[in-house]
Amino acid sequence: GQQLNQSPQSMFIQEGEDVSMNCTSSSIFNTWLWYKQEPGEGPVLLIALYKAGELTSNGRLTAQFGITRKDSFLNISASIPSDVGIYFCAGRRGDKLIFGTGTRLQVFP
Amino acid sequence: DAGVIQSPRHEVTEMGQEVTLRCKPISGHDYLFWYRQTMMRGLELLIYFNNNVPIDDSGMPEDRFSAKMPNASFSTLKIQPSEPRDSAVYFCASSSGTGGVTNEKLFFGSGTQLSVL
Repeated sequence: GQQLNQSPQSMFIQEGEDVSMNCTSSSIFNTWLWYKQEPGEGPVLLIALYKAGELTSNGRLTAQFGITRKDSFLNISASIPSDVGIYFCAGRRGDKLIFGTGTRLQVFP
Repeated sequence: DAGVIQSPRHEVTEMGQEVTLRCKPISGHDYLFWYRQTMMRGLELLIYFNNNVPIDDSGMPEDRFSAKMPNASFSTLKIQPSEPRDSAVYFCASSSGTGGVTNEKLFFGSGTQLSVL
């Protein structure tokens, strides 16, 4: 099935560093979402974006809905060890969410 | 709220055996989704239900896979017969809808790790 491409695939960073990741699609979505999955658990919604160009924050997390509606970006500022996990973007198509390939984040103290 | 409850957490079975995965959605949610997660293919939607009715099963890989939702508080995903390539983590998620459209805030269970030997 269709997938959204995320980059980078994985990141290994030092605590305190900022993180940037992105998600691209060949088709347009009207809603973009970012989920985080911790080891042994299901994904949890972090941020939802509804309009092209929209910038939304949730604590240290900021996400943007790309102008072309074919991409989205997630930034994490001042990373901490509990930010470890896999970050998934998702585009909404009707009742379905199409998930990205994921960015695995590792934070070292 | 107990969240979405899946059982079992882990299942190890032999090729050819029948496998049944279970899910209890959050009370009051009228949408239920079954996803499969693998390293190669990521998170794939298999099937989803609205008000206990299957709406889209286009993601179900083969006839060996079937899903039911006999009531609002219970769903099963069955694989018969199972094959090694079915090994994956299977997630159930639920959400509430408004005006016949799902809310995009999906609540996922902790998943069932299936290993078919």
